[in-house]
Amino acid sequence: DGGITQSPKYLFRKEGQNVTLSCEQNLNHDAMYWYRQDPGQGLRLIYYSQIVNDFQKGDIAEGYSVSREKKESFPLTVTSAQKNPTAFYLCASSSERGTDTQYFGPGTRLTVL
Amino acid sequence: EDQVTQSPEALRLQEGESSSLNCSYTVSGLRGLFWYRQDPGKGPEFLFTLYSAGEEKEKERLKATLTKKESFLHITAPKPEDSATYLCAVFSGGYNKLIFGAGTRLAVHP
Repeated sequence: DGGITQSPKYLFRKEGQNVTLSCEQNLNHDAMYWYRQDPGQGLRLIYYSQIVNDFQKGDIAEGYSVSREKKESFPLTVTSAQKNPTAFYLCASSSERGTDTQYFGPGTRLTVL
Repeated sequence: EDQVTQSPEALRLQEGESSSLNCSYTVSGLRGLFWYRQDPGKGPEFLFTLYSAGEEKEKERLKATLTKKESFLHITAPKPEDSATYLCAVFSGGYNKLIFGAGTRLAVHP
């Protein structure tokens, strides 16, 4: 079955730690995205990538980093510079960047201890 | 600034009681409006895409409509399994990205 997988489902971070969230897709999509979801707010774009080895900052990129070494994979690192990282993180992909429908993974819930 | 507003924030219905959710938007160059369903602790599930005013799409008990300023998600004779948060998103041509509303939490009681 084609789809998007994210791991882990739950992640706990200590102060000062960097953590990496995994996102893999087998839909053969070119574009991939990372969003953050907080209670009572709409999804906010962290980073996006249109093609391999290229990515762009979204609205709230500070304290986050990404890489796109393979078409199928778009990992997100939450660095210690992100002061309020507790949130639900969602990865999405679309066939092209733009108006194409974005399909979402199941999400990773990150909690700071 | 481009903006998407969903109302109401929360809606409680009895099983079989039809209603509508609203998504109003102000964007520079609408290039698509998307509806998603999200269950607690899960990722959004795609429902519909609408591209132009007057367009309508249906899926089971759900029907989405679009005008130049807003979209409605009509739920006909809802069942408890329709309980979820419904998200609306608009693709802004001006900002070249999806802008999401905060969602409407729907609870359908037997």
